[in-house]
Amino acid sequence: NAGVTQTPKFRVLKTGQSMTLLCAQDMNHEYMYWYRQDPGMGLRLIHYSVGEGTTAKGEVPDGYNVSRLKKQNFLLGLESAAPSQTSVYFCASSYPGTALSDSPLHFGNGTRLTVT
Amino acid sequence: GENVEQHPSTLSVQEGDSAVIKCTYSDSASNYFPWYKQELGKRPQLIIDIRSNVGEKKDQRIAVTLNKTAKHFSLHITETQPEDSAVYFCAALPGVPARQLTFGSGTQLTVLP
Repeated sequence: NAGVTQTPKFRVLKTGQSMTLLCAQDMNHEYMYWYRQDPGMGLRLIHYSVGEGTTAKGEVPDGYNVSRLKKQNFLLGLESAAPSQTSVYFCASSYPGTALSDSPLHFGNGTRLTVT
Repeated sequence: GENVEQHPSTLSVQEGDSAVIKCTYSDSASNYFPWYKQELGKRPQLIIDIRSNVGEKKDQRIAVTLNKTAKHFSLHITETQPEDSAVYFCAALPGVPARQLTFGSGTQLTVLP
């Protein structure tokens, strides 16, 4: 049981290049999320998915796209990278939960992306 | 949407002392409040959580209190140890529309030996 696995761990891009970050979870979680973490700003939600084939925008979606073709995978794409997208990206997953039994987020180890 | 403010941004305490981190939230419908600990270079991990129908929850040296009327919740760490040094994030889960956690900006806790 690996939990949430992110690839790659590190990446350096030039402005304008594209890339895809892969997140895979083996816990059969319905919900998956992509966050970015910047110094002094906590974790901000980029996009999320409440099930296979569905995605939705979070707090900071501009410049990113996502896909959830399979329940266990959630892909984050950068079509044309910008220096402002330099950040640490975390994927997370959870069960939907209810008001009385909310499910905590399980995070991956993160991807450190630098855009020059 | 929900807005979570966290204070202080940095906190230094002597080993053995207590540490308190406070968060306020804006959405009165929020009903779930987890706390995450993130050690340097690692992933955030849940350390304790509390639901809106409970005022206080304790797990060994860690406790969380919730004041729904004032819309604030706090993390209390007693008998701090060097391994408690980390960044701590609070979060709140709004009732609607989708169940997305909103995080505070984090507190860097340093426990001095």
